[in-house]
Amino acid sequence: ETGVTQSPTHLIKTRGQQVTLRCSSQSGHNTVSWYQQALGQGPQFIFQYYREEENGRGNFPPRFSGLQFPNYSSELNVNALELDDSALYLCASSLEAVVNTEAFFGQGTRLTVV
Amino acid sequence: AQSVTQLDSQVPVFEEAPVELRCNYSSSVSVYLFWYVQYPNQGLQLLLKYLSGSTLVESINGFEAEFNKSQTSFHLRKPSVHISDTAEYFCAVSDRGADGLTFGKGTHLIIQP
Repeated sequence: ETGVTQSPTHLIKTRGQQVTLRCSSQSGHNTVSWYQQALGQGPQFIFQYYREEENGRGNFPPRFSGLQFPNYSSELNVNALELDDSALYLCASSLEAVVNTEAFFGQGTRLTVV
Repeated sequence: AQSVTQLDSQVPVFEEAPVELRCNYSSSVSVYLFWYVQYPNQGLQLLLKYLSGSTLVESINGFEAEFNKSQTSFHLRKPSVHISDTAEYFCAVSDRGADGLTFGKGTHLIIQP
């Protein structure tokens, strides 16, 4: 059984650019959530996907968008990057039935916006 | 809306000494409570969780946390810490909806030899 994997591990982008981060869910998990963890802060919920539909969203602007694929893998897209988007982006997978009680996190993607 | 407060940003403690990391939450509904640990340059690992039933929950590596509804707290304790416990610890709540987990700002546990 493989765990949650994220790619790339590190990324440097220029302000105004667009970025795509990828996440492969743990085997059998059908729900994916994304979190942003700024330096020295706790993770903040961005959104959640179940059956390829967004079914929950935190307080993030529309330039943060996502996709979930039939194999339950997921992408996080951020348009018009700002310096404050620099953070560790974490993906978590779970079964929908226990999404609120059992989430497994990946190692994260460290995004630096310059 | 819910929020989590971790009162200490850093807790230094000597090896083999006891430690308590404090967590208070606010929510208008029933919640699930969690402690996650994050080692340097890694993701989050679930340490323990409270869903229902006994208010005292334990992890496999000696940590325990007690849910106190009247004080809206979920403090994490360990009777004797080891150097390998050095990490960032996050308290989190979930309100059982589709709004993900709400995390505190974290407590950096520093073990001194």
